[in-house]
Amino acid sequence: QQPVQSPQAVILREGEDAVINCSSSKALYSVHWYRQKHGEAPVFLMILLKGGEQKGHEKISASFNEKKQQSSLYLTASQLSYSGTYFCGTERPSTSYGKLTFGQGTILTVHP
Amino acid sequence: GAGVSQSPRYKVAKRGQDVALRCDPISGHVSLFWYQQALGQGPEFLTYFQNEAQLDKSGLPSDRFFAERPEGSVSTLKIQRTQQEDSAVYLCASSPRGGASKNIQYFGAGTRLSVL
Repeated sequence: QQPVQSPQAVILREGEDAVINCSSSKALYSVHWYRQKHGEAPVFLMILLKGGEQKGHEKISASFNEKKQQSSLYLTASQLSYSGTYFCGTERPSTSYGKLTFGQGTILTVHP
Repeated sequence: GAGVSQSPRYKVAKRGQDVALRCDPISGHVSLFWYQQALGQGPEFLTYFQNEAQLDKSGLPSDRFFAERPEGSVSTLKIQRTQQEDSAVYLCASSPRGGASKNIQYFGAGTRLSVL
């Protein structure tokens, strides 16, 4: 089942902060965050693992609430380059090779 | 180093034609995934390879879709008798390990298929 992202879209001015949420109704093993610009490849940002381990971009932080099966991506002091569509991809314990189920995306627009 | 490369970047097909989409993963990557991305949506899983073995094809929408990775590197997604609902961006991703969870996937830019 597809995770649900919120908000669907957000508009910021440079320097402002944003939070993007990802929620699943199923038990999760890990959450992966990607950013995709129009016509380009999704770019890996962050992976959050059950147990609290994180790996990812130094200027972006995220959290993973295992009990609620929710993850949040925190974008601070936004830059113009942060614009794009953000996707969370969730991995369930039942798969052994990293199959991801993606949310519908959150469109982030940063204005000067 | 080189990332995941997909070709062609754009493909226009008449309904009923067969198409073949190519993916060159990052050298040495064991795992390879195909996803379908409809306009305004997130990528949706199609199939998974570990080396040359296709271990999961549960996401392929019909028997018109076929994927192969004969030598464990380059992969081809073939769609026979294309239909309008096949129009989408087809993304390929690779990751360094096989049969492992918590595996970061590296995506290509995709092939945009338009069926007229």
